[in-house]
Amino acid sequence: EVQLLESGGGLVQPGGSLRLSCAASGFTFPNYVIRWVRLAPGKGLEWVSAIGGGSDTKYADSVKGRFTISRDNSKNTVYLQMNSLRSEDTAIYYCARVFYETSGNYHGADHWGQGTLVTVSS
Amino acid sequence: DIVMTQSPLSLSVTPGEPASISCKSSQSLLHSNGHIRLDWYLQKPGQSPQLLIYMGSNRASGVPDRFSGSASGTDFTLKISRVEAEDVGVYYCMQGLQTPFTFGPGTKVDIK
Repeated sequence: EVQLLESGGGLVQPGGSLRLSCAASGFTFPNYVIRWVRLAPGKGLEWVSAIGGGSDTKYADSVKGRFTISRDNSKNTVYLQMNSLRSEDTAIYYCARVFYETSGNYHGADHWGQGTLVTVSS
Repeated sequence: DIVMTQSPLSLSVTPGEPASISCKSSQSLLHSNGHIRLDWYLQKPGQSPQLLIYMGSNRASGVPDRFSGSASGTDFTLKISRVEAEDVGVYYCMQGLQTPFTFGPGTKVDIK
C-alpha cells in the first residue's frame, strides 16, 4: 500500500525554522517526484516545492531562498527545511508523489499524505 | 507565471443533477509531447486533496466514471454527470507544465 507520512510541523515564532519530513512506503521511491503543497487558512492550495529522483529542485517564488527541499533515497524520505518563517507560511503542508514517464507523460499527484500543520506566530 | 482561473467559485447542486466547473489558463498547457499538463483535484472537508483527472482528460485510478475532463485550447472543463452527496468539497485545477505550478482559486461545491 502506498503511504506518505508527513511530520515535523508545529508552532514556531516568526524568523524561526522547522524541518518537515515526508516518509514514503509502498512504491519505488527514487522513481517519483515528490511535491510539497500547502493550504493556508481561508486560502486555496499553493504549490511550494518539488524534487525529482535525481534531486533536481524547484521552488515557488514565495519560499525561494528560505526553504530547501532534499531527499534521502536510502530512507525513502523527503525533507523541507524551512527557515526565516513568516506568518504567511502558516498552513497545512502536504507531500504528494508524481510519476513522470520518459515520454513526458505524467500521472498527476496520485497519492498525498495527511498533512502536517505549521503555525508561525509569536 | 501561468495564471489559472475558475468559475464558478461556488456551486450548489441537487443530488442526481449534473455539474460543470470551468478552468482557464493564461497560456497554453500543451507539453512538447502533445499532451496537456492540467490536473483536477478535489479536497473534501477535513481530508487531503485527491487526484480526479490528469493530463486534462484522464481519470485517475478509482475515480468514478461520473467525473470527466475535457480541454479546448486554454479552456478546461470538469463535468460530474450526476452529483452525489460524497462529491462535496473544493475542486481545484492545476497546471503542471511549468514551475511554479499554479492552482486555480478553487470551486466550492455543496449539496442543496
